[in-house]
Amino acid sequence: GAGVSQSPSNKVTEKGKDVELRCDPISGHTALYWYRQSLGQGLEFLIYFQGNSAPDKSGLPSDRFSAERTGGSVSTLTIQRTQQEDSAVYLCASGKAGAVSIQYFGAGTRLSVL
Amino acid sequence: KNEVEQSPQNLTAQEGEFITINCSYSVGISALHWLQQHPGGGIVSLFMLSSGKKKHGRLIATINIQEKHSSLHITASHPRDSAVYICAVLGPGGGADGLTFGKGTHLIIQP
Repeated sequence: GAGVSQSPSNKVTEKGKDVELRCDPISGHTALYWYRQSLGQGLEFLIYFQGNSAPDKSGLPSDRFSAERTGGSVSTLTIQRTQQEDSAVYLCASGKAGAVSIQYFGAGTRLSVL
Repeated sequence: KNEVEQSPQNLTAQEGEFITINCSYSVGISALHWLQQHPGGGIVSLFMLSSGKKKHGRLIATINIQEKHSSLHITASHPRDSAVYICAVLGPGGGADGLTFGKGTHLIIQP
């Protein structure tokens, strides 16, 4: 596709369940970012991938969060044992080579933890 | 950690007015982004700046690195410009720092 694709667009889950959120970046973009937008916190950075390099995980809010990127393309954000405070819109963005470039955002996955 | 402050938080103006939204940050950066988010909509990148000034249509963005300040201007504003405008900075560490976001400016342009 032409833009960053995220799936699912909406996810409702029960507290304690695991969820996987997927991001397909724009073809050829090596930089990939995950962000979270929640009512109380605004937008916050979670994790950054540059190509196949190991990511800096220090922005992840807890050890229940993990992310991987396969083949330098598709990325998955996994939240284990979800909590109600995990409810938010999770946004993925991609960019061309190098961190100092325009970021193109996906439409996000709205996660609701009941 | 960079502190990003935007002003005003909310702005209502009449169609045709010249709009200015300000952004200041506390620590040196690699780049500054201006983003637009329509209600219920996705985020669109308007500009990325590391110095000087950029113009795209009716939108102008400026940055003063020494003063750690940026402004977004909209000329001849139109109701379709109504959206949340978000300033975000990329730290000196580049992508590993990710973007630090301001809280956004909610702009309403009345016809």
